[in-house]
Amino acid sequence: EAGVVQSPRYKIIEKKQPVAFWCNPISGHNTLYWYRQNLGQGPELLIRYENEEAVDDSQLPKDRFSAERLKGVDSTLKIQPAELGDSAVYLCASSTGLAVYNEQFFGPGTRLTVL
Amino acid sequence: AQSVTQLDSQVPVFEEAPVELRCNYSSSVSVYLFWYVQYPNQGLQLLLKYLSGSTLVESINGFEAEFNKSQTSFHLRKPSVHISDTAEYFCAVSDQGAQKLVFGQGTRLTINP
Repeated sequence: EAGVVQSPRYKIIEKKQPVAFWCNPISGHNTLYWYRQNLGQGPELLIRYENEEAVDDSQLPKDRFSAERLKGVDSTLKIQPAELGDSAVYLCASSTGLAVYNEQFFGPGTRLTVL
Repeated sequence: AQSVTQLDSQVPVFEEAPVELRCNYSSSVSVYLFWYVQYPNQGLQLLLKYLSGSTLVESINGFEAEFNKSQTSFHLRKPSVHISDTAEYFCAVSDQGAQKLVFGQGTRLTINP
């Protein structure tokens, strides 16, 4: 069974440019998460979806970040415009349900460098 | 709000030696506790979790962790490590009501031959 797929794996952009990350969760997983992991830190939740509905986006900086999961399967996270402080690894995870005791399966992440 | 502190950012040990990775959390309510592992060039994987019941939980590869409510700790231990255990280990907590994982800063375990 394929795991969580993310692309691209690496992205280097200049500040003020837009950038987008794509995630395809494990088949059948209704719940999808986006996390940001700064260097030397643990992942921090940005947004989580149950099917196509964002059930918790309280940590998403909405002035420049947006996310969508239109058909309740794959998802896109966008930053526009990017700032130097956005350099981080962006992780996508999926699980079979919203309850936290359901195991979250993580993708390899997209490492973003903003110059 | 809940938080997690992993007291050691790096832990070097020799192969076949025992290891303990420390994790303390703060929360005013009942919690679930997790350890995730990230091997080099791979995504995070669940290692073990405490939800309820026995305070000692084990993984399939010989790690164990004990929930200590009075000390608000969930330390990870292995009696004899292997080179293949080289990875970064993340402790995470969730209030049973919040249903949201809060991760610690991670501990990099390095095994020397």
